[in-house]
Amino acid sequence: GENVEQHPSTLSVQEGDSAVIKCTYSDSASNYFPWYKQELGKRPQLIIDIRSNVGEKKDQRIAVTLNKTAKHFSLHITETQPEDSAVYFCAATHNSGGSNYKLTFGKGTLLTVNP
Amino acid sequence: DAGITQSPRYKITETGRQVTLMCHQTWSHSYMFWYRQDLGHGLRLIYYSAAADITDKGEVPDGYVVSRSKTENFPLTLESATRSQTSVYFCAIKPTGGRNTEAFFGQGTRLTVV
Repeated sequence: GENVEQHPSTLSVQEGDSAVIKCTYSDSASNYFPWYKQELGKRPQLIIDIRSNVGEKKDQRIAVTLNKTAKHFSLHITETQPEDSAVYFCAATHNSGGSNYKLTFGKGTLLTVNP
Repeated sequence: DAGITQSPRYKITETGRQVTLMCHQTWSHSYMFWYRQDLGHGLRLIYYSAAADITDKGEVPDGYVVSRSKTENFPLTLESATRSQTSVYFCAIKPTGGRNTEAFFGQGTRLTVV
């Protein structure tokens, strides 16, 4: 089955700096890679995703890059703000007809943005 | 709330007791999932269901039972609760078809086994 490794497990940055979280996956059939943000005591919520036919995707201060050859993808947050402090999870799955769509998650990164 | 409700939100039970966590969706999405979240382990898949009466094991199914007699409900039962099953449990749903592939999570159930 799929295995997703996520690094670092904790990340502390100063407000305004950039943050980068990296993930690797093992199953070359995986073609959908979402990132979830989970605030303390809340449910995980999707912040950005990327499909395997795209190398990069941006949404305001958040961007995700994908390298299919190396089987790794990364989350980039620019101009970090205190409200970006949360646990971030990467995930991978194979989305297509006949697949089961189950997500395999990394173990999470606790991001702390210091004012 | 994205149309997915978990109950109860908090539960304390004793070792050896049977406990059932409920998950209900107001849509009719085919795919439903149960994850447990533990510090240092992230989110791990317990069971999932592709449709009513179709379920399959995930990464950590031991000690759990699921059923799905109706599309909108996907209960998770701990047949004989153990302390190692103390965790936060999340149910998730996923629309199929089209370009929307996002999975939506419920609010979670915090289960403590004493």
